[in-house]
Amino acid sequence: ETGVTQTPRHLVMGMTNKKSLKCEQHLGHNAMYWYKQSAKKPLELMFVYNFKEQTENNSVPSRFSPECPNSSHLFLHLHTLQPEDSALYLCASSLSGAVSYEQYFGPGTRLTVT
Amino acid sequence: AQKITQTQPGMFVQEKEAVTLDCTYDTSDQSYGLFWYKQPSSGEMIFLIYQGSYDEQNATEGRYSLNFQKARKSANLVISASQLGDSAMYFCAMRVGIIQGAQKLVFGQGTRLTINP
Repeated sequence: ETGVTQTPRHLVMGMTNKKSLKCEQHLGHNAMYWYKQSAKKPLELMFVYNFKEQTENNSVPSRFSPECPNSSHLFLHLHTLQPEDSALYLCASSLSGAVSYEQYFGPGTRLTVT
Repeated sequence: AQKITQTQPGMFVQEKEAVTLDCTYDTSDQSYGLFWYKQPSSGEMIFLIYQGSYDEQNATEGRYSLNFQKARKSANLVISASQLGDSAMYFCAMRVGIIQGAQKLVFGQGTRLTINP
């Protein structure tokens, strides 16, 4: 595996379900990010982790719970979601420290909440 | 407020023509960075080019160049000799903060580029 991988690629869940999204990066990066991409809206930053420590929670509802057990893995635990949470969830990673370092993105998980 | 504006929801261009995608930004910071990403239908965001606010030269990467006009707060992406594979969504993004070494980016709404044969 190379780059940033995300599983599952597609997920349909009911509002009472609990599910988790997984992200793994094989690039030796230190920082990992979760973004939400909804139709007709710009990409929204949700969470930032640097060396496993959460450094940013962008006012995300508590029904989204991130977990970063190490610098290579990032999870997004989902519970009691709403239909408006349906979106493409993108994970990204980057080196940390230099201002020019770009973020590398995974292919995303397309989430549908029914 | 720190914000990115992309005013072109969609653009249609003939293959082999050059295309300019517009991006304007709003920030009061002196130090910032601007990125362009491409998102094909597969969903993955692909990094194209970066311009730092203190860089005096416009950034170039192969067929991509960034027309950076600091006084106008614009950072337009120029794609030369467009190809069918360039058809995708294009996003302009700005670094608005560094959080313990990790970057915080804000993105524009995107421009859907379609290359016609």
